[in-house]
Amino acid sequence: NAGVTQTPKFQVLKTGQSMTLQCAQDMNHNSMYWYRQDPGMGLRLIYYSASEGTTDKGEVPNGYNVSRLNKREFSLRLESAAPSQTSVYFCASSPGGVYGYTFGSGTRLTVV
Amino acid sequence: QKEVEQDPGPLSVPEGAIVSLNCTYSNSAFQYFMWYRQYSRKGPELLMYTYSSGNKEDGRFTAQVDKSSKYISLFIRDSQPSDSATYLCAMPLRGGATNKLIFGTGTLLAVQP
Repeated sequence: NAGVTQTPKFQVLKTGQSMTLQCAQDMNHNSMYWYRQDPGMGLRLIYYSASEGTTDKGEVPNGYNVSRLNKREFSLRLESAAPSQTSVYFCASSPGGVYGYTFGSGTRLTVV
Repeated sequence: QKEVEQDPGPLSVPEGAIVSLNCTYSNSAFQYFMWYRQYSRKGPELLMYTYSSGNKEDGRFTAQVDKSSKYISLFIRDSQPSDSATYLCAMPLRGGATNKLIFGTGTLLAVQP
């Protein structure tokens, strides 16, 4: 039972390059989320998907796009990476409502 | 002012000590309160979950909520080196089809053997 799986675990990009972070969950959860975690800033919500077919902006959406491919998968795309997007990215899922989240192990992204 | 404030630490204690971790919040609409534990280079994992005011105990961990003061605490009794981690408080902001968790910045705890 894998829970939430994120790929890749590490990535180095050059400024202006694009990439997609992948996330998949096997818990049949309705809602999925992308957060970034930076020192002193905590976890900040980038985008979320309440259910299959819907996506909404979070606190820090600029520079990112998302796709809820199906109930299991929720991807995050950086179209033109910037050094300010250097961070650790976490995907999470929940059944919805006020239940807690299950997090993946994160993607460490460095943009040079 | 951030919706959820948390002292970042680091907090260093000897093994066996009682640890107190705290958060304050500004939004009186918060009704559910969570504590996550995050080991180094891992994702956060849900540790405790409480509703409204009062105490909840789970083994060596006790979560306390004081809604009148907008203050929540996590106590760890008989702390162990394995408790060394970052502890994040979180509160769901309700609205729309799902909740969005608002996190504190986390407190880094080191338990010295």
